[in-house]
Amino acid sequence: NAGVTQTPKFQVLKTGQSMTLQCAQDMNHEYMSWYRQDPGMGLRLIHYSVGAGITDQGEVPNGYNVSRSTTEDFPLRLLSAAPSQTSVYFCASSEGLAAYEQYFGPGTRLTVT
Amino acid sequence: AQKITQTQPGMFVQEKEAVTLDCTYDTSDQSYGLFWYKQPSSGEMIFLIYQGSYDEQNATEGRYSLNFQKARKSANLVISASQLGDSAMYFCAMREYNTNAGKSTFGDGTTLTVKP
Repeated sequence: NAGVTQTPKFQVLKTGQSMTLQCAQDMNHEYMSWYRQDPGMGLRLIHYSVGAGITDQGEVPNGYNVSRSTTEDFPLRLLSAAPSQTSVYFCASSEGLAAYEQYFGPGTRLTVT
Repeated sequence: AQKITQTQPGMFVQEKEAVTLDCTYDTSDQSYGLFWYKQPSSGEMIFLIYQGSYDEQNATEGRYSLNFQKARKSANLVISASQLGDSAMYFCAMREYNTNAGKSTFGDGTTLTVKP
């Protein structure tokens, strides 16, 4: 199993550009999440999904969209990048709502200039 | 109010000694899980240990143990026999299963440095 994969690993955007961060998992997990980690801080939840076709907002959803058309994939879209979105983005998955372990991807380091 | 509080921004420990990293949490949910993750300088998030709110025994995983004091709402991580490779950022996190749809909340982390 590849686990949770994220692409790209690094990305530089100009203010106003849009892009999609890709996340895929091959463990047939129902629950997937996107987090951002700003320097010296913990992870903050952006959006999450409890299954294909079902998504909901987390703590910091503004400026981001998600969709979940398949169990495997959970892309995160930045609509119009802003410098405040410079961060490291992590995707995670778990078997279900009450699963005790989340599996994290390696992260995407995004810089918006 | 912060749901997860880690009051120690940085900690130092001598190699081979034990160290306790503090974590307090705030929830009204009866069903929740508490987690500790390690983030080395390479950046990945590594799951260490889990404690469920209904678990009566403290969780242990090798050199890691979780000191769970439910009434005090604390979930401290104890690392025994510290190794140089334990130097990393450590995050405490909580998932609330009834009131918060299983969403995770993370603390701001504690940077642990193990001295030789």
